[in-house]
Amino acid sequence: EAGVAQSPRYKIIEKRQSVAFWCNPISGHATLYWYQQILGQGPKLLIQFQNNGVVDDSQLPKDRFSAERLKGVDSTLKIQPAKLEDSAVYLCASSRPGLAPSETQYFGPGTRLLVL
Amino acid sequence: AQKVTQAQTEISVVEKEDVTLDCVYETRDTTYYLFWYKQPPSGELVFLIRRNSFDEQNEISGRYSWNFQKSTSSFNFTITASQVVDSAVYFCALSEADYGQNFVFGPGTRLSVLP
Repeated sequence: EAGVAQSPRYKIIEKRQSVAFWCNPISGHATLYWYQQILGQGPKLLIQFQNNGVVDDSQLPKDRFSAERLKGVDSTLKIQPAKLEDSAVYLCASSRPGLAPSETQYFGPGTRLLVL
Repeated sequence: AQKVTQAQTEISVVEKEDVTLDCVYETRDTTYYLFWYKQPPSGELVFLIRRNSFDEQNEISGRYSWNFQKSTSSFNFTITASQVVDSAVYFCALSEADYGQNFVFGPGTRLSVLP
């Protein structure tokens, strides 16, 4: 079974530029998450989708971050405009259908973003 | 509110030593789930184990073992006979029943196993 795919793996941009990250979850996983992991910290949830609907985006900085999951499969996370403090690893995860808290989340390799 | 504490920021051991990683959590829920993930230098978080709040039975899986104690709100992880390949950052995470699958991660413990 293929794991969670993410691209690009690395991205370097200048502040005020825009950037987009792509995620393809494990086949059949209805729930998809985007996390931000700043160096030296644990991942922090940005947004959670159930199919193509948003379940939780309370920690997403909506003035600059946006995310979509068209057709309930792939997802894109965008930052526009980027700030220096957005430098982090952006992790995508997916889990099986349902919102049970016991469902294990499976993570992709992440996208390392450096904002100069 | 949910909170996960991993007091050990970094641990270094010599290969073949046993090492225990500590995790303390806070929750108001009676139903919750605890997880351990490993993050090797490649960056991908790898699932290790899941425990629910009703199952305090400790588990051993190969060189890994877990000690879950509700009385002290701890969920510790032990690696027996550590190997260089165990070098990674280890995260403890908590998921509460009332918050769907919203994980709260601890800050992580960086384990270095020296040859």
